[in-house]
Amino acid sequence: KNQVEQSPQSLIILEGKNCTLQCNYTVSPFSNLRWYKQDTGRGPVSLTIMTFSENTKSNGRYTATLDADTKQSSLHITASQLSDSASYICVVSETASYDKVIFGPGTSLSVIP
Amino acid sequence: DAGVTQSPTHLIKTRGQQVTLRCSPISGHKSVSWYQQVLGQGPQFIFQYYEKEERGRGNFPDRFSARQFPNYSSELNVNALLLGDSALYLCASSLVPQVTLEAFFGQGTRLTVV
Repeated sequence: KNQVEQSPQSLIILEGKNCTLQCNYTVSPFSNLRWYKQDTGRGPVSLTIMTFSENTKSNGRYTATLDADTKQSSLHITASQLSDSASYICVVSETASYDKVIFGPGTSLSVIP
Repeated sequence: DAGVTQSPTHLIKTRGQQVTLRCSPISGHKSVSWYQQVLGQGPQFIFQYYEKEERGRGNFPDRFSARQFPNYSSELNVNALLLGDSALYLCASSLVPQVTLEAFFGQGTRLTVV
């Protein structure tokens, strides 16, 4: 069964600190992996998207890595800000004629002053 | 340019009723997908439409249906509402169904079934 797991479930960090979120997946055949940021009650906003051949991708203070062999991805946030408080969702797509996606449960990040 | 817009933003229905949710994609996007997000969980795929045809369907009962119009906007219909249908319903649009490009989400419709 294709699944996406994320850890930790929740995380609290001090403003200015770095953190790393993890994503493990069993989706096959693999098409791409995306990280989204979702504020409470809002739609997800894309941070990064990586295909099989990409190992790392950055978007400002967000850096995502992908190891397609071990089927693991991480999202590293540097110099965290209060506005980074949100749910971070890992999404993996199967190769298909449509956007066959599987969402992870998300990691809830709280940045405190 | 306007992003993906969904209406209404909030909705309260009673069990057994029917509901219609609406989504307008980004201009030029021809593919629309619908997702259900129960509180505290990740979104679950419901449907994807492209050029007015259903391209993909998730594991949802037949009470859930959708359609796409010639202007690429879309409606999601849910019949015989259950308490468990309470969720945030998200719509996403993209240029094409196969997403190696971006899929952009709307802000969602919060449906509460009482």
